[in-house]
Amino acid sequence: QLQLQESGPGLVTASETLSLTCTVSGASIRDRRYYWGWIRQPPGKGLEWIGSIYYSGTAYYNPSLKSRVTISIDTSKNQYSLKLSSVAAADTAVYHCARGDYEIDTWFDPWGQGTLVTVSS
Amino acid sequence: QTVVTQEPSLSVSPGGTVTLTCGLTSGSVSTSSRPSWYQQTPGQTPRTLIYNTNSRSSGVPDRFSGSILGNKAALTITGAQADDESDYYCAVYMGGGISVFGGGTKLTVL
Repeated sequence: QLQLQESGPGLVTASETLSLTCTVSGASIRDRRYYWGWIRQPPGKGLEWIGSIYYSGTAYYNPSLKSRVTISIDTSKNQYSLKLSSVAAADTAVYHCARGDYEIDTWFDPWGQGTLVTVSS
Repeated sequence: QTVVTQEPSLSVSPGGTVTLTCGLTSGSVSTSSRPSWYQQTPGQTPRTLIYNTNSRSSGVPDRFSGSILGNKAALTITGAQADDESDYYCAVYMGGGISVFGGGTKLTVL
């Protein structure tokens, strides 16, 4: 059974870089039918797509975050990672990793349980 | 920048039918937008209901259906039940590898 699990610090200082890793188990991250995404949800607010990466390393980013986001993939570890630089309070959110369908880009399933990252000043 | 729009809130009576919509501030949502719909209850991870306009995800009851109505994607719930009370989000493909979520609709069943 495919599972995704986010890991990383739950508290990040403002202006620093947020770093999270998603570990994929039960399937290969090299499966060409899928890509691997990050989605966040600030407390009490809606979902925001951050970006996605294909096994080849090709990545796509939300234009509003593009200047601060880097998503990378390590196929040898079956993991992929998110880095968000120059964080501010507005970046406080639950961060989910999720598998995306390569042909149906908007179909994210399954999702990781999510990890709350709080940006402190 | 194009924004994906959803009704902020809707209500439906138990057993009734309700349609949630997903549009764009500029342009139309079509099947090429590959719209998907997610249901989220408080404290839970989003659950896929519909993908690629009208394909129902595994285990989703057939009272949930997706379609294109005019220039918007639509999620229709027929025979609403109390546990349908949730937040619903659509996601739309904008091209260039970019997907965007709508702001969500809070559905009340009363």
